[in-house]
Amino acid sequence: DGGITQSPKYLFRKEGQNVTLSCEQNLNHDAMYWYRQDPGQGLRLIYYSQIVNDFQKGDIAEGYSVSREKKESFPLTVTSAQKNPTAFYLCASRIPSRGGEKLFFGSGTQLSVL
Amino acid sequence: GENVEQHPSTLSVQEGDSAVIKCTYSDSASNYFPWYKQELGKRPQLIIDIRSNVGEKKDQRIAVTLNKTAKHFSLHITETQPEDSAVYFCAASRAAGNKLTFGGGTRVLVKP
Repeated sequence: DGGITQSPKYLFRKEGQNVTLSCEQNLNHDAMYWYRQDPGQGLRLIYYSQIVNDFQKGDIAEGYSVSREKKESFPLTVTSAQKNPTAFYLCASRIPSRGGEKLFFGSGTQLSVL
Repeated sequence: GENVEQHPSTLSVQEGDSAVIKCTYSDSASNYFPWYKQELGKRPQLIIDIRSNVGEKKDQRIAVTLNKTAKHFSLHITETQPEDSAVYFCAASRAAGNKLTFGGGTRVLVKP
């Protein structure tokens, strides 16, 4: 499984705790994304970054924060403000293509609340 | 913003039969429609996509059709096999550089 590495695979959060999910890519892709997957709700966009040092909120950004200091890395922090953090989190990068958002996904991180 | 609805949420078919998944979208400016397949415990992977200047696209046993007027598109899987069992997601976006909006997913079970 090369390309995008997400770690850890499983993560547990205590009440009031911030946790950070790692996403690293060696594909030299400019754009990166964070999606949240809940059963029966598809993939919902949390944050995305089109280029280093720039990022935008997605549809469900509240309670989350990101940084993009390096092209290869796009970590996601789940803050204590996110009251329902239990979900499967997927990081993705965009495959350069003419017209269209072709995404390559990581293997995901399952976050659970203790 | 864009809203994508996907039906059915679950689909059970006999091996060898066909499966059809339908999606509708709300933004008439959307022009790119990919489909992703997620096998159990694995990452979603792009299996086929279509752009708004094309009405139908085929790749072996899978095909996608697009009706721009009605704002809906469908995935067709023929001669289904057990390895087709997975969750399938449709999505829509306006153009390169714009974010994808996903449907809620369809869990397909192919019974041998």
